[in-house]
Amino acid sequence: EIVMTQSPATLSVSPGERATLSCRASQSVSSNLAWYQQKPGQAPRLLIYGASTRATGIPARFSGSGSGTEFTLTITSLQSEDFAVYYCQQYNNWPPYTFGQGTKLEIK
Amino acid sequence: EVQLVESGGGLVQPGGSLRLSCAASGFTYSGFWMSWVRQAPGKGLEWVANINQDGSEKYYVDSVKGRFTISRDSAKNSLYLQMNSLRAEDTAVYYCAREIRSSWYYAFDIWGQGTMVTVSA
Repeated sequence: EIVMTQSPATLSVSPGERATLSCRASQSVSSNLAWYQQKPGQAPRLLIYGASTRATGIPARFSGSGSGTEFTLTITSLQSEDFAVYYCQQYNNWPPYTFGQGTKLEIK
Repeated sequence: EVQLVESGGGLVQPGGSLRLSCAASGFTYSGFWMSWVRQAPGKGLEWVANINQDGSEKYYVDSVKGRFTISRDSAKNSLYLQMNSLRAEDTAVYYCAREIRSSWYYAFDIWGQGTMVTVSA
C-alpha cells in the first residue's frame, strides 16, 4: 500500500498571500495524484487531477505540480473561501486508493 | 443537476449490520465506476470500496474485506454498501463518489453529502 504524507499538518497564512502545501508518496506514483478541498460539514471537492490539471470550475489561483514522490498544491492570493482542509490522493497503485492525512489551511 | 444522495446510516451495535444506499441522478449512472469513501470523526478520508460499470469488478480496502459488499442497480441508478460484522472502528461518515477515468487519470469528481454510521453499544 502506498502511504501518502502531507505537510505541514496545519498552515497559517494571511488572506491575499500564497499557500504551499506538500504531499509525499512512499513510492513513485508518477503523475497519478489528485487534490481535494474539504470545508467543515461538507463533502470533499475535486481540485486537481493528473497532478496538475484543474478540475472543472476550479479557479486559476489553484495549481498543482510534481511527479514521482513529491507534489505541491499552490494557492495564490488566498481568498476567505480557501481556508479548509486539503487532501492529496494517489491512484497509481490501487487497490487501495490512498489519501494523505490532510493539511488544514487556516487564517493567520 | 448531477447529484448523489446517500441514505441508510444510523446507530448499530457492534457485530450488527447496516445497508447504505446512494441514489444517482443527472448523469448516465451506468457509465461510471463508483466508490464508497469514509471519514471517521475528526479524521481523514479513507477509500472503502469500488465497483465497475456492470458490477463485474469489485475492490475493497483490506480492513473491510469479507465484511462489506458493494453492489449497484443500474435500473434504479443506485449504489449500495452492505456492512456486516460492524466494529467500533467502522464509525464514520460514508460518502459515495463518482469516479471519472481516462487513459491518464482517475479522480472522484462528484460526492454525495454523506451518511453517518455509528457503531456503539
